[in-house]
Amino acid sequence: AQKVTQAQTEISVVEKEDVTLDCVYETRDTTYYLFWYKQPPSGELVFLIRRNSFDEQNEISGRYSWNFQKSTSSFNFTITASQVVDSAVYFCALSEARTGGFKTIFGAGTRLFVKA
Amino acid sequence: EADIYQTPRYLVIGTGKKITLECSQTMGHDKMYWYQQDPGMELHLIHYSYGVNSTEKGDLSSESTVSRIRTEHFPLTLESARPSHTSQYLCASSGTGVSSGNTIYFGEGSWLTVV
Repeated sequence: AQKVTQAQTEISVVEKEDVTLDCVYETRDTTYYLFWYKQPPSGELVFLIRRNSFDEQNEISGRYSWNFQKSTSSFNFTITASQVVDSAVYFCALSEARTGGFKTIFGAGTRLFVKA
Repeated sequence: EADIYQTPRYLVIGTGKKITLECSQTMGHDKMYWYQQDPGMELHLIHYSYGVNSTEKGDLSSESTVSRIRTEHFPLTLESARPSHTSQYLCASSGTGVSSGNTIYFGEGSWLTVV
């Protein structure tokens, strides 16, 4: 069975602080995909990144970076120098390759508050 | 960028009314989905479709129904709305094949309030 755990329910930081959102996953498959989505107050889910299970290279995109470690089954997301516009709920998700998108499992989300 | 559109974005209706939430995508994706979500809470898959004339119920039981007559269109209908249906409904789609990586793209959501 697959599972995604986002242990941090809410995080509050002051602008310009760095913040890391944790994501731990469980799967028995060897080929899978991991995702992060951002959901601002307006409600839409915005796709941020996908990593596949055989690519453990960390990725950086502007102030965003992702750390994928198969040894600890984690896919953490760091925002550097946070801004008020980063305030949102962030979802981590897991999809086993063989199942298509139908069995994508989303974590419960981490609500990030960035105060000015 | 995803090209998936939902209408209406916001809807307030009375109990017992029939409503249809529209969803269209221009990416040619075979797979489409409807999720239900209370604000900032967990996402629940209520319907999905493999392609034209294919619809399946998701993990969360829902009184809504869906249809897939055209690849790009996946409307959701509630025959008789109730206050318990008040929620956000998110339409989504994904492509097929290794290159798609099972990536699901979401529309902007439809906020439904039943009074």
